[in-house]
Amino acid sequence: RKEVEQDPGPFNVPEGATVAFNCTYSNSASQSFFWYRQDCRKEPKLLMSVYSSGNEDGRFTAQLNRASQYISLLIRDSKLSDSATYLCVVRTSGTYKYIFGTGTRLKVLA
Amino acid sequence: GAGVSQSPSNKVTEKGKDVELRCDPISGHTALYWYRQSLGQGLEFLIYFQGNSAPDKSGLPSDRFSAERTGGSVSTLTIQRTQQEDSAVYLCASSGLSGGGAWDTQYFGPGTRLTVL
Repeated sequence: RKEVEQDPGPFNVPEGATVAFNCTYSNSASQSFFWYRQDCRKEPKLLMSVYSSGNEDGRFTAQLNRASQYISLLIRDSKLSDSATYLCVVRTSGTYKYIFGTGTRLKVLA
Repeated sequence: GAGVSQSPSNKVTEKGKDVELRCDPISGHTALYWYRQSLGQGLEFLIYFQGNSAPDKSGLPSDRFSAERTGGSVSTLTIQRTQQEDSAVYLCASSGLSGGGAWDTQYFGPGTRLTVL
Protein backbone atom coordinates (compact mmCIF):
# COMPACT_ATOMS: atom_id res chain seq x y z
CA ARG A 1 0.00 0.00 0.00
CA LYS A 2 1.33 3.44 -0.87
CA GLU A 3 1.97 5.81 2.03
CA VAL A 4 -0.12 8.52 0.38
CA GLU A 5 -2.87 7.69 -2.08
CA GLN A 6 -4.91 9.89 -4.35
CA ASP A 7 -7.45 9.29 -7.09
CA PRO A 8 -5.53 10.27 -10.24
CA GLY A 9 -8.66 11.57 -11.99
CA PRO A 10 -9.05 13.44 -14.23
CA PHE A 11 -11.94 15.27 -12.70
CA ASN A 12 -13.65 17.18 -15.48
CA VAL A 13 -15.99 19.82 -14.09
CA PRO A 14 -17.76 22.85 -15.58
CA GLU A 15 -16.85 26.35 -14.54
CA GLY A 16 -18.59 27.34 -11.35
CA ALA A 17 -18.86 23.79 -10.04
CA THR A 18 -17.75 22.60 -6.63
CA VAL A 19 -15.26 19.74 -6.62
CA ALA A 20 -13.66 17.78 -3.80
CA PHE A 21 -10.57 15.57 -3.65
CA ASN A 22 -9.59 13.15 -0.94
CA CYS A 23 -6.19 11.82 -0.04
CA THR A 24 -5.50 8.94 2.35
CA TYR A 25 -2.29 8.34 4.27
CA SER A 26 -1.15 5.15 5.93
CA ASN A 27 1.22 6.35 8.67
CA SER A 28 -0.64 7.34 11.81
CA ALA A 29 2.45 9.25 12.95
CA SER A 30 1.98 11.71 10.10
CA GLN A 31 2.06 15.21 11.49
CA SER A 32 2.00 17.85 8.76
CA PHE A 33 -0.27 17.91 5.76
CA PHE A 34 -0.30 20.03 2.64
CA TRP A 35 -1.92 20.50 -0.71
CA TYR A 36 0.38 21.55 -3.54
CA ARG A 37 -0.64 22.56 -7.02
CA GLN A 38 1.37 21.59 -10.09
CA ASP A 39 0.70 23.04 -13.50
CA CYS A 40 1.76 21.11 -16.60
CA ARG A 41 5.56 21.02 -16.93
CA LYS A 42 5.98 23.34 -13.95
CA GLU A 43 7.23 22.88 -10.41
CA PRO A 44 4.81 22.22 -7.53
CA LYS A 45 3.71 25.23 -5.51
CA LEU A 46 2.12 25.28 -2.08
CA LEU A 47 -1.63 25.76 -2.24
CA MET A 48 -2.32 25.46 1.45
CA SER A 49 -1.28 23.72 4.62
CA VAL A 50 -3.94 21.60 6.30
CA TYR A 51 -4.58 22.21 9.99
CA SER A 52 -6.35 19.96 12.44
CA SER A 53 -9.25 22.36 12.76
CA GLY A 54 -9.63 22.71 9.02
CA ASN A 55 -8.83 25.87 7.16
CA GLU A 56 -10.17 28.00 4.36
CA ASP A 57 -8.48 30.27 1.86
CA GLY A 58 -10.94 31.97 -0.43
CA ARG A 59 -12.59 29.32 -2.59
CA PHE A 60 -10.41 26.55 -1.15
CA THR A 61 -11.17 24.58 2.01
CA ALA A 62 -8.96 21.88 3.46
CA GLN A 63 -9.97 19.36 6.10
CA LEU A 64 -8.06 16.76 8.10
CA ASN A 65 -9.62 13.61 9.52
CA ARG A 66 -7.03 11.92 11.75
CA ALA A 67 -9.31 9.09 12.80
CA SER A 68 -9.82 7.97 9.22
CA GLN A 69 -6.41 9.20 8.09
CA TYR A 70 -7.42 11.33 5.19
CA ILE A 71 -7.30 14.93 4.12
CA SER A 72 -9.61 16.65 1.69
CA LEU A 73 -9.58 19.68 -0.57
CA LEU A 74 -12.78 21.43 -1.62
CA ILE A 75 -12.77 23.96 -4.43
CA ARG A 76 -15.86 26.12 -4.81
CA ASP A 77 -16.86 28.12 -7.88
CA SER A 78 -14.22 26.47 -10.05
CA LYS A 79 -12.33 28.66 -12.49
CA LEU A 80 -10.63 27.66 -15.72
CA SER A 81 -7.37 28.66 -14.04
CA ASP A 82 -7.89 25.99 -11.38
CA SER A 83 -7.06 23.32 -13.98
CA ALA A 84 -3.93 21.63 -12.65
CA THR A 85 -2.74 18.58 -10.75
CA TYR A 86 -3.27 18.74 -7.01
CA LEU A 87 -0.68 16.93 -4.90
CA CYS A 88 -1.32 15.70 -1.39
CA VAL A 89 1.80 15.86 0.80
CA VAL A 90 2.39 14.35 4.22
CA ARG A 91 5.28 14.71 6.68
CA THR A 92 5.87 12.17 9.42
CA SER A 93 6.47 13.33 12.96
CA GLY A 94 10.15 13.49 13.87
CA THR A 95 11.40 13.60 10.30
CA TYR A 96 11.92 16.16 7.60
CA LYS A 97 10.83 13.70 4.95
CA TYR A 98 7.79 14.56 2.86
CA ILE A 99 5.77 11.97 1.00
CA PHE A 100 3.94 13.11 -2.10
CA GLY A 101 0.86 11.53 -3.57
CA THR A 102 0.81 10.99 -7.31
CA GLY A 103 -1.69 13.81 -7.69
CA THR A 104 -5.25 14.35 -8.85
CA ARG A 105 -5.78 16.02 -12.20
CA LEU A 106 -8.51 18.63 -12.42
CA LYS A 107 -9.83 20.04 -15.67
CA VAL A 108 -12.29 22.90 -15.45
CA LEU A 109 -14.29 23.20 -18.65
CA ALA A 110 -15.78 26.34 -20.14
CA GLY B 1 13.50 37.68 -2.99
CA ALA B 2 15.22 35.07 -5.12
CA GLY B 3 13.67 31.65 -5.22
CA VAL B 4 15.23 28.25 -5.68
CA SER B 5 17.24 28.00 -8.85
CA GLN B 6 18.47 24.93 -10.69
CA SER B 7 20.86 24.40 -13.53
CA PRO B 8 20.93 23.33 -16.21
CA SER B 9 17.25 23.58 -17.12
CA ASN B 10 17.69 20.83 -19.69
CA LYS B 11 20.36 18.19 -20.05
CA VAL B 12 20.68 15.64 -22.81
CA THR B 13 23.34 13.01 -22.33
CA GLU B 14 24.37 9.67 -23.69
CA LYS B 15 23.94 6.45 -21.80
CA GLY B 16 26.96 5.76 -19.63
CA LYS B 17 27.98 9.38 -19.14
CA ASP B 18 28.05 11.14 -15.77
CA VAL B 19 25.91 14.22 -15.11
CA GLU B 20 25.85 16.89 -12.40
CA LEU B 21 22.76 18.82 -11.51
CA ARG B 22 22.94 21.96 -9.39
CA CYS B 23 20.54 23.52 -6.92
CA ASP B 24 20.76 26.95 -5.28
CA PRO B 25 18.28 27.07 -2.39
CA ILE B 26 16.64 30.14 -0.93
CA SER B 27 19.18 31.98 1.17
CA GLY B 28 18.99 30.95 4.82
CA HIS B 29 16.94 27.81 4.24
CA THR B 30 18.43 24.98 6.27
CA ALA B 31 16.65 22.10 4.56
CA LEU B 32 17.23 21.04 0.97
CA TYR B 33 15.52 18.22 -0.90
CA TRP B 34 15.98 16.40 -4.18
CA TYR B 35 13.08 14.68 -5.91
CA ARG B 36 12.64 12.93 -9.21
CA GLN B 37 9.50 13.08 -11.33
CA SER B 38 9.05 10.81 -14.30
CA LEU B 39 6.55 11.66 -17.01
CA GLY B 40 3.01 11.52 -15.63
CA GLN B 41 4.21 10.31 -12.24
CA GLY B 42 4.36 11.74 -8.75
CA LEU B 43 7.41 13.07 -6.99
CA GLU B 44 9.88 10.45 -5.83
CA PHE B 45 11.97 11.46 -2.81
CA LEU B 46 15.70 11.04 -3.34
CA ILE B 47 17.62 12.75 -0.53
CA TYR B 48 17.41 15.60 1.94
CA PHE B 49 19.88 17.71 3.86
CA GLN B 50 19.00 19.40 7.14
CA GLY B 51 21.52 21.79 8.61
CA ASN B 52 24.65 20.00 9.74
CA SER B 53 22.93 16.66 10.26
CA ALA B 54 23.80 13.62 8.20
CA PRO B 55 21.68 13.59 5.05
CA ASP B 56 18.80 11.16 4.63
CA LYS B 57 19.81 9.20 1.54
CA SER B 58 17.10 6.60 1.83
CA GLY B 59 15.47 7.52 -1.48
CA LEU B 60 18.51 7.25 -3.72
CA PRO B 61 17.67 4.46 -6.21
CA SER B 62 21.19 3.09 -6.63
CA ASP B 63 24.81 3.77 -5.78
CA ARG B 64 25.13 5.59 -9.09
CA PHE B 65 23.34 8.50 -7.42
CA SER B 66 25.03 10.79 -4.92
CA ALA B 67 24.54 14.31 -3.64
CA GLU B 68 26.52 16.89 -1.75
CA ARG B 69 25.67 20.13 -0.08
CA THR B 70 28.58 22.47 0.37
CA GLY B 71 28.65 25.14 3.05
CA GLY B 72 25.04 24.52 3.92
CA SER B 73 23.92 26.14 0.69
CA VAL B 74 24.42 24.91 -2.89
CA SER B 75 23.79 21.25 -3.62
CA THR B 76 24.92 19.03 -6.45
CA LEU B 77 23.21 15.78 -7.47
CA THR B 78 25.52 13.50 -9.42
CA ILE B 79 24.39 10.55 -11.51
CA GLN B 80 27.16 8.28 -12.69
CA ARG B 81 26.95 5.99 -15.72
CA THR B 82 23.51 7.28 -16.64
CA GLN B 83 20.86 4.86 -17.85
CA GLN B 84 17.79 5.54 -19.96
CA GLU B 85 15.54 4.96 -16.95
CA ASP B 86 17.22 7.93 -15.27
CA SER B 87 15.41 10.22 -17.71
CA ALA B 88 13.11 12.43 -15.63
CA VAL B 89 12.72 15.90 -14.20
CA TYR B 90 14.90 16.38 -11.15
CA LEU B 91 13.39 18.87 -8.73
CA CYS B 92 15.09 20.59 -5.85
CA ALA B 93 13.24 22.21 -2.95
CA SER B 94 14.28 24.10 0.14
CA SER B 95 12.54 25.05 3.36
CA GLY B 96 13.31 27.05 6.45
CA LEU B 97 12.32 30.06 8.48
CA SER B 98 13.70 32.70 6.16
CA GLY B 99 11.66 33.81 3.17
CA GLY B 100 8.47 34.49 5.09
CA GLY B 101 6.88 31.07 4.82
CA ALA B 102 6.33 28.45 7.49
CA TRP B 103 9.45 26.47 8.33
CA ASP B 104 8.02 23.35 6.75
CA THR B 105 6.80 24.87 3.50
CA GLN B 106 8.84 23.60 0.59
CA TYR B 107 9.75 25.94 -2.24
CA PHE B 108 10.63 24.22 -5.47
CA GLY B 109 13.02 25.15 -8.21
CA PRO B 110 11.97 24.86 -11.86
CA GLY B 111 13.71 21.51 -12.23
CA THR B 112 16.27 19.99 -14.56
CA ARG B 113 14.87 17.89 -17.37
CA LEU B 114 17.32 15.03 -17.94
CA THR B 115 17.16 12.97 -21.10
CA VAL B 116 19.43 9.97 -21.45
CA LEU B 117 19.74 8.73 -25.00
